[in-house]
Amino acid sequence: DAKTTQPNSMESNEEEPVHLPCNHSTISGTDYIHWYRQLPSQGPEYVIHGLTSNVNNRMASLAIAEDRKSSTLILHRATLRDAAVYYCILRENNNAGNMLTFGGGTRLMVKP
Amino acid sequence: GAGVSQSPSNKVTEKGKDVELRCDPISGHTALYWYRQSLGQGLEFLIYFQGNSAPDKSGLPSDRFSAERTGGSVSTLTIQRTQQEDSAVYLCASSSTGNWAFFGQGTRLTVV
Repeated sequence: DAKTTQPNSMESNEEEPVHLPCNHSTISGTDYIHWYRQLPSQGPEYVIHGLTSNVNNRMASLAIAEDRKSSTLILHRATLRDAAVYYCILRENNNAGNMLTFGGGTRLMVKP
Repeated sequence: GAGVSQSPSNKVTEKGKDVELRCDPISGHTALYWYRQSLGQGLEFLIYFQGNSAPDKSGLPSDRFSAERTGGSVSTLTIQRTQQEDSAVYLCASSSTGNWAFFGQGTRLTVV
């Protein structure tokens, strides 16, 4: 599996935007970029995913570099509830199904 | 049910005893994953089932660990002769091929 690199931790102020970076320089053409987050004492939850184009949903936006070697998860207005560990994962999308390999993630702390 | 269900939510067992952890995936999901997470650590992959294919057992830490998935649905993770280092939260996830994964809330295992 291709690997991702994320900062160990980041801090943000409440109601400010947060940009969480992820490097994936060995990404292949069939790898989708997935983001999950894990709130305290809960299982991980899906946030967003994309292939080449930027993506938006109700939770966040995903900005993907033109060369696809990096991406950024954007929380437009951080709330205290967004404090979590955010995982960036590459997932090959094929009919045989595929693995999910989690790295260390970024622990986001949100200050009131 | 609407999500991935794991039982029990908490399990305390004596060292040396066997334990069984159960996962009910979302109906129709062909892929099922088991992970474990020690306190303050990331997710450690254990085993992955995809349809009728042979499971990927490459993450199982020892031969005391085994898992099965009956009828392509419910999965049971069995730990024999538990040790204190087996104490962790065991997480199960399921997904449709190529889509994002849904996680259960986990089983917190404490070996005393």
